[in-house]
Amino acid sequence: KQEVTQIPAALSVPEGENLVLNCSFTDSAIYNLQWFRQDPGKGLTSLLLIQSSQREQTSGRLNASLDKSSGRSTLYIAASQPGDSATYLCAVIAHTDKLIFGTGTRLQVFP
Amino acid sequence: DAGVIQSPRHEVTEMGQEVTLRCKPISGHDYLFWYRQTMMRGLELLIYFNNNVPIDDSGMPEDRFSAKMPNASFSTLKIQPSEPRDSAVYFCASSLSTGVGNEQFFGPGTRLTVL
Repeated sequence: KQEVTQIPAALSVPEGENLVLNCSFTDSAIYNLQWFRQDPGKGLTSLLLIQSSQREQTSGRLNASLDKSSGRSTLYIAASQPGDSATYLCAVIAHTDKLIFGTGTRLQVFP
Repeated sequence: DAGVIQSPRHEVTEMGQEVTLRCKPISGHDYLFWYRQTMMRGLELLIYFNNNVPIDDSGMPEDRFSAKMPNASFSTLKIQPSEPRDSAVYFCASSLSTGVGNEQFFGPGTRLTVL
């Protein structure tokens, strides 16, 4: 059974810091890994999707890497801003077509 | 496209009442997913459809839950009778297809409170 773990569970940093959020999964037979952002009381916004054959994806200040063999992904946020404050979720999908979500990292960036 | 649309955004009801949640997927997307988010269990898939046909409903918690997709642009998730433990945020998502490279897009969710 696929299990997805995210560490840390919460993170509070000053503005401007570079951040690394971690995601690990137990079954490496995945199709995609997707990173989402969720603001309080809101829905999920897809940030990046990495296919199983890819090693990384970049969008603006965000960079996500994937090491499928070790069951790990990292989300790197450069030059963090208060507007980055949210909960970040990673999810993997395999042949079952089901997205399996991690428990999330709650990020707070203070000015 | 307006994205995935869900209604209502908030629902407060009393135990025993019937609750119907609605979802309109992104036009052209063949897959529709219903998820539930709670503090205790996080985000869980309840059921998903391909071309209006239910494919996997193993996540539906009890017979009190049912979902339908009468056409490509509309789906409902019904709870009858509702119970306080059903209180959660229910998300609908859609995707063009599944497999490698296919991204799921989520709606804003319906926050359900059962008193």
